[in-house]
Amino acid sequence: DAMVIQNPRYQVTQFGKPVTLSCSQTLNHNVMYWYQQKSSQAPKLLFHYYDKDFNNEADTPDNFQSRRPNTSFCFLDIRSPGLGDAAMYLCATSREKQSSYEQYFGPGTRLTVT
Amino acid sequence: AQSVAQPEDQVNVAEGNPLTVKCTYSVSGNPYLFWYVQYPNRGLQFLLKYITGDNLVKGSYGFEAEFNKSQTSFHLKKPSALVSDSALYFCAVRANSWGKLQFGAGTQVVVTP
Repeated sequence: DAMVIQNPRYQVTQFGKPVTLSCSQTLNHNVMYWYQQKSSQAPKLLFHYYDKDFNNEADTPDNFQSRRPNTSFCFLDIRSPGLGDAAMYLCATSREKQSSYEQYFGPGTRLTVT
Repeated sequence: AQSVAQPEDQVNVAEGNPLTVKCTYSVSGNPYLFWYVQYPNRGLQFLLKYITGDNLVKGSYGFEAEFNKSQTSFHLKKPSALVSDSALYFCAVRANSWGKLQFGAGTQVVVTP
């Protein structure tokens, strides 16, 4: 049974056209994360939510925003995608914020910018 | 600052042979160590973790890892590799109780029949 679901799996958008990626979870975890992964490199954390508290990484561009309307759903909004934003976007969850808890990842959304 | 090193970009092994994927870390304080595996066009799957206790940790799919504090290493091992183990493996560390998950660069494992 899927626990962290990402939609769509593949997304094509045009340069500068806003796009929203979706993540949902059935685990009832408190923490949700968004990562960007390029070309089989290490995932890079963009931001995370602990419950409703939003935590942005210092080097995350302003072009990236996120919303978490409820425990189950989290969205990644890219306001004006550039060619450099083409990547795999991974959503992850963990039960709590403490380091001892592992993260559960969704299958990812591969974003192409034309 | 915390960091993780995976010194091998790729590991090649024949099916049935032992598999080792190396990882060393640098953190101040006690590390929280993780291994994840990623298959093509998929998300990361959790394999195992070391938090405290026994240095030998057993995880999913027959994998295990040994925490070595003096060598600051957390190598992933499997006694007998399968072709289906071919994937990208990430070691990751979190420093202290609330740290961000820091990934290594990843090691591509190729298991040949």
